[in-house]
Amino acid sequence: DVKVTQSSRYLVKRTGEKVFLECVQDMDHENMFWYRQDPGLGLRLIYFSYDVKMKEKGDIPEGYSVSREKKERFSLILESASTNQTSMYLCASSLGRGLSRIYNEQFFGPGTRLTVL
Amino acid sequence: KNEVEQSPQNLTAQEGEFITINCSYSVGISALHWLQQHPGGGIVSLFMLSSGKKKHGRLIATINIQEKHSSLHITASHPRDSAVYICAAPYNTDKLIFGTGTRLQVFP
Repeated sequence: DVKVTQSSRYLVKRTGEKVFLECVQDMDHENMFWYRQDPGLGLRLIYFSYDVKMKEKGDIPEGYSVSREKKERFSLILESASTNQTSMYLCASSLGRGLSRIYNEQFFGPGTRLTVL
Repeated sequence: KNEVEQSPQNLTAQEGEFITINCSYSVGISALHWLQQHPGGGIVSLFMLSSGKKKHGRLIATINIQEKHSSLHITASHPRDSAVYICAAPYNTDKLIFGTGTRLQVFP
């Protein structure tokens, strides 16, 4: 059964802390994505990766970085957490290259609800 | 104007009713995803459409590529259909642009 897991369901951090959100998929997917979801705004793409050690900025990369050292793992890093980064963070993965990247189904993790105090 | 717009934002229905959720998009490649998000956050993909109609159980999705419009229908709605339904349009070859979702509540 297809699975995307995220390291925490709930996380509370203080302003200025460095925060690591981990995502692991067991489907051998090439593509991995990090989104944040805020009320009234829908899902917004932070970063994505099409291959190991490869990363691309999404629509809202400021304040975030990512790491993909292994195919199955994609980490989101908040270098210095701020209160405006309080949000639901969702990881997703998909199979395929080229146009099939965005035509193929994305499989989502359960999400991490991050609160920054 | 949002690039992907859904209507209505909120929808309540009695069990058994026929439900329609609409999605209009102004961007990208001619295809659309429909997703479902249950309380608690998990998102699952329902359909990817590039033409015509697809059916899965009581869910039917249609798309009109020329008008850049898609609808999701639920027949014989049930309380377990209560969720947020989200449409997303592929943009370039890189990403999806998401609508803000339609919150559906079905009462017994």
